[in-house]
Amino acid sequence: GENVEQHPSTLSVQEGDSAVIKCTYSDSASNYFPWYKQELGKRPQLIIDIRSNVGEKKDQRIAVTLNKTAKHFSLHITETQPEDSAVYFCAASKNDYKLSFGAGTTVTVRA
Amino acid sequence: EAQVTQNPRYLITVTGKKLTVTCSQNMNHEYMSWYRQDPGLGLRQIYYSMNVEVTDKGDVPEGYKVSRKEKRNFPLILESPSPNQTSLYFCASRPGGKVDTQYFGPGTRLTVL
Repeated sequence: GENVEQHPSTLSVQEGDSAVIKCTYSDSASNYFPWYKQELGKRPQLIIDIRSNVGEKKDQRIAVTLNKTAKHFSLHITETQPEDSAVYFCAASKNDYKLSFGAGTTVTVRA
Repeated sequence: EAQVTQNPRYLITVTGKKLTVTCSQNMNHEYMSWYRQDPGLGLRQIYYSMNVEVTDKGDVPEGYKVSRKEKRNFPLILESPSPNQTSLYFCASRPGGKVDTQYFGPGTRLTVL
């Protein structure tokens, strides 16, 4: 089955700096890569996703890049703000139904 | 209000006592799914359902059963719970063709003693 590895497990950044989280996947057939954000005590919410026919996608301060050859994808958060503090999960899927997740990255934005 | 509901929200039980966690959505979504969340392991998919009477295994289906007899409900059944099933469980749903609109339920915290 699919194996998704996520790094780093924790990330502390100064407010205003950028944060980057990286994930690798094992199944070359995977073609859908969502990112979820989970604030403390709340449910996960999808923040951005990308399909394998696209190399990069942006939505305001967040962006995701995908390297199919190397089988890795990354989440970039620019101009970080305190409300970006959360746990972020990457995931991979080859059929839009079965999702395999990374272990999560706890991001702390220091004021 | 569009929502996914789970019951119970908290449950403490003992090993071997069968239990069911219910999940219901009012958005007429075709797709529903169950996940468990454990520290250091992130989210792991247990089972998913693409529509009524269509279910399939996720990454960690062992020890769980599901059924999808009607579109709105997707219960998770633990026939003989064990302590390693102590976890936070999330149900989620979305329209069949829209992968970017998954709604999660509020979560059920289960403790098996």
